[in-house]
Amino acid sequence: NAGVTQTPKFRVLKTGQSMTLLCAQDMNHEYMYWYRQDPGMGLRLIHYSVGEGTTAKGEVPDGYNVSRLKKQNFLLGLESAAPSQTSVYFCASSYSTGPEQYFGPGTRLTVT
Amino acid sequence: AQSVSQHNHHVILSEAASLELGCNYSYGGTVNLFWYVQYPGQHLQLLLKYFSGDPLVKGIKGFEAEFIKSKFSFNLRKPSVQWSDTAEYFCAVSGYSSASKIIFGSGTRLSIRP
Repeated sequence: NAGVTQTPKFRVLKTGQSMTLLCAQDMNHEYMYWYRQDPGMGLRLIHYSVGEGTTAKGEVPDGYNVSRLKKQNFLLGLESAAPSQTSVYFCASSYSTGPEQYFGPGTRLTVT
Repeated sequence: AQSVSQHNHHVILSEAASLELGCNYSYGGTVNLFWYVQYPGQHLQLLLKYFSGDPLVKGIKGFEAEFIKSKFSFNLRKPSVQWSDTAEYFCAVSGYSSASKIIFGSGTRLSIRP
């Protein structure tokens, strides 16, 4: 099992550009999450999904969109990147929102 | 409001010293509690978790944590740290129901001097 994988690992964008981050899990988890990690702020939930075809807003959803067309994949999109979106993005998955979440290796995004 | 507080932002210890990292939470109702660890350049890994039962929880690599309900605390301890424990440690809380999301603290960076 690969667990939770994320692509790409690194990306540099110019302000206003768009991109999509891909998260894939092979554990048949129902729930998937996107977090951003910023120094001194821990992990903040951007969006999450409780099943294929469903998405919901987390703590910091503005400027991001998500889609869960397949159970194993959860995409995070930035339509018009801003420097404030420079961060490390982590995807996670779980059987439910209560027990532990399994994290991917992260994507380091820099917006100039 | 639901929140997790980790008051120590950066802790520096020598090898073989004892460790205690503080974690306090604010969350209504029954909770699940977690400690995650992030080694340099790596993703978050679960260190230990408390769901119910014995409030003293033992995790991997000699870590343990104690849930004190009256103090809303879940402090992480290790009697003797090693250089390889250098990492960032995150405390997290969720509700007991399947509809609850995990809330993370801001993290504590632990640096171990060889």
